[in-house]
Amino acid sequence: GAVVSQHPSWVICKSGTSVKIECRSLDFQATTMFWYRQFPKQSLMLMATSNEGSKATYEQGVEKDKFLINHASLTLSTLTVTSAHPEDSSFYICSASQRWEGSYNEQFFGPGTRLTVL
Amino acid sequence: GENVEQHPSTLSVQEGDSAVIKCTYSDSASNYFPWYKQELGKGPQLIIDIRSNVGEKKDQRIAVTLNKTAKHFSLHITETQPEDSAVYFCAALPPDSSYKLIFGSGTRLLVRP
Repeated sequence: GAVVSQHPSWVICKSGTSVKIECRSLDFQATTMFWYRQFPKQSLMLMATSNEGSKATYEQGVEKDKFLINHASLTLSTLTVTSAHPEDSSFYICSASQRWEGSYNEQFFGPGTRLTVL
Repeated sequence: GENVEQHPSTLSVQEGDSAVIKCTYSDSASNYFPWYKQELGKGPQLIIDIRSNVGEKKDQRIAVTLNKTAKHFSLHITETQPEDSAVYFCAALPPDSSYKLIFGSGTRLLVRP
């Protein structure tokens, strides 16, 4: 299957700072990327859907000013957690999908980024 | 909207035995059903998927069956091995959802050596 990378794999930051997480599709062009959050022993919670060249669509309850998403190219999307607080500590996972009209391709996940806010 | 329920939440089997995980969905128009395996500290990995026009799909020791009438689909793992131990998630893709998958709650599979 296709390869999706994330950087960094883990990050520790102080409360109040901002953290940027990168998601890259390495061997295909991703028209859509998704950002998820996962708490221990829980399922994936979709935060936002990001289409290349347009604004991200956020799920209900997700603060768009706190979780800034940029999808500047077909291979790169970034998630910036602004003014991070301890409650933002979580496992953040991106996925990438390639699709065209009337069809759907598989969604491939990155390895995740463990964020710890002190 | 679509809702996906997954059972059991935990499953323990002896190495070599089979494991079956079941999911039900609510939107009869959903047309794509992937299964993901997630190992500790890693992202989910697509292991098999099935589309609504197919009733069964197999890939070596892994198979998925789909019953559209009953709106349920199942993951079957035969000849389980310790390395199959992980959390498995099912998902469904409803139409007109902007390609957003709806995930089940996950099944923690433990294969005892």
